[in-house]
Amino acid sequence: QVQLVESGGGVVQPGTSLRLSCAASGFTFSSYGMHWIRQAPGKGLEWVAFMWNAESNNHYAESVKGRFTISRDNSKNTLFLQMNSLRAEDTAVYYCARGSSGGSVPFDYWGQGTLVTVSS
Amino acid sequence: DVVMTQSPLSLPVTLGQAASISCRSSQSLVHSDGNTYLNWFQQRPGQSPRRLIYKVSNRDSGVPDRFSGSGSGTDFTLKISRVEAEDVGVYYCMQGTHWPPWTFGQGTKVEIK
Repeated sequence: QVQLVESGGGVVQPGTSLRLSCAASGFTFSSYGMHWIRQAPGKGLEWVAFMWNAESNNHYAESVKGRFTISRDNSKNTLFLQMNSLRAEDTAVYYCARGSSGGSVPFDYWGQGTLVTVSS
Repeated sequence: DVVMTQSPLSLPVTLGQAASISCRSSQSLVHSDGNTYLNWFQQRPGQSPRRLIYKVSNRDSGVPDRFSGSGSGTDFTLKISRVEAEDVGVYYCMQGTHWPPWTFGQGTKVEIK
């Protein structure tokens, strides 16, 4: 069955960096685009970043553009989110979600999330 | 960016009664390929979001048939025909037609009266 497992969250100070991982299993990872979505405490869902199955033409929310980088290692079935220059407003649970492949519609599977807290 | 507006934001319902959530987009969600990429998600307390409905009215596998989606253009509705206790949570609409960014509604909290 499809599984997405995020890791790498924690408590960090403003201005520092953190790298999140999303380990995928149960499907052909290299054939799917992948997303990161976040949810600040007590708030709604915010899409963060997307990449296709190969490292080209990635997309970012304006709120993270220039600070966050999405990448993937298809040989290890793993998605990453490199977060630099972190701010208090980046505090959230970060989810990875499966994108589309061929005619499938994205966001059909989500991970359990990993909490990032940015605080001094 | 496409703005998604849900109403109501809070929905107290009686067990066994019907519930309806509205979602409006700031522009038509009809894609050039003819599809309308409007999804509905359920987020139960303490859980990750789960997709219920895709492309307006298609239920995901395992979703009870008491959930239904309808609408077109800019106006969409999620209906729960007979609310059960397990339906408590927050429901989000999301558009995937005009991206990036993919955008979500504010969420509607469903609770039992």
